Amino acid sequence: QVQLQESGPGLMEPSGTLSLSCAVSGGSIFNTYWWTWVRQSPGKGLEWIGEVYHSGNTNYNPSLKSRVTISMDRSKNQFSLKLTSVTAADTAVYYCARGTRTLVATVYYYVLDVWGQGTTVIVSS
Amino acid sequence: QSVLTQPPSVSAAPRQKVTISCSGSSSNIGNNHVYWYQQVPGTAPKLLIYDDNKRPSGIPDRFSGSKSGTSATLGITGLQTGDEADYYCGTWDNSLSTGVFGTGTKVFVL
Repeated sequence: QVQLQESGPGLMEPSGTLSLSCAVSGGSIFNTYWWTWVRQSPGKGLEWIGEVYHSGNTNYNPSLKSRVTISMDRSKNQFSLKLTSVTAADTAVYYCARGTRTLVATVYYYVLDVWGQGTTVIVSS
Repeated sequence: QSVLTQPPSVSAAPRQKVTISCSGSSSNIGNNHVYWYQQVPGTAPKLLIYDDNKRPSGIPDRFSGSKSGTSATLGITGLQTGDEADYYCGTWDNSLSTGVFGTGTKVFVL
């Protein structure tokens, strides 16, 4: 069964670029899934960041779009998140997840069914 | 800022029932299927319900989902102390072209 594992810096300084990776095991990243990033700030709810399809197509949260890039690394069977110009507001647990989205007539069947355990990122000087 | 609205908390005694509402709009719940997660603090979300009312393998039938118009509901019967957690709804939003989550609901077992 597919498993996801995030990795990242843990602690970083403001104004820098956050880089996270999500290693996919037990399956190929080139299957027809949307590979997704979600974050959760301390004491807050879930925030959808963005996704990448095996074709390379992406969708991003409009509130983060100017700072976010999600891409796939074919050679390592993983996908990545880059977030530029980070501030304390970007302090959160970052999760990677596998998404399935199917359009039938005009209705989307959509679910994030497999999640990583999450990685904590603290932005502080 | 979450697109979907949930009550901050609900509570009930053990063995009782709770329901959690999730209110959206025609661009999300009104036109797409809904899923629900359970999140115990410090852990990743766990899928409880997908396609409005389907349960993944291993999820007990004490958990149920329904949808009507632009709102969805999660029901938990036979409440147990282990059900104390945060619960989130989610779906796809056609206007934003993004996934969206609810504000989250904390379930307390009295």
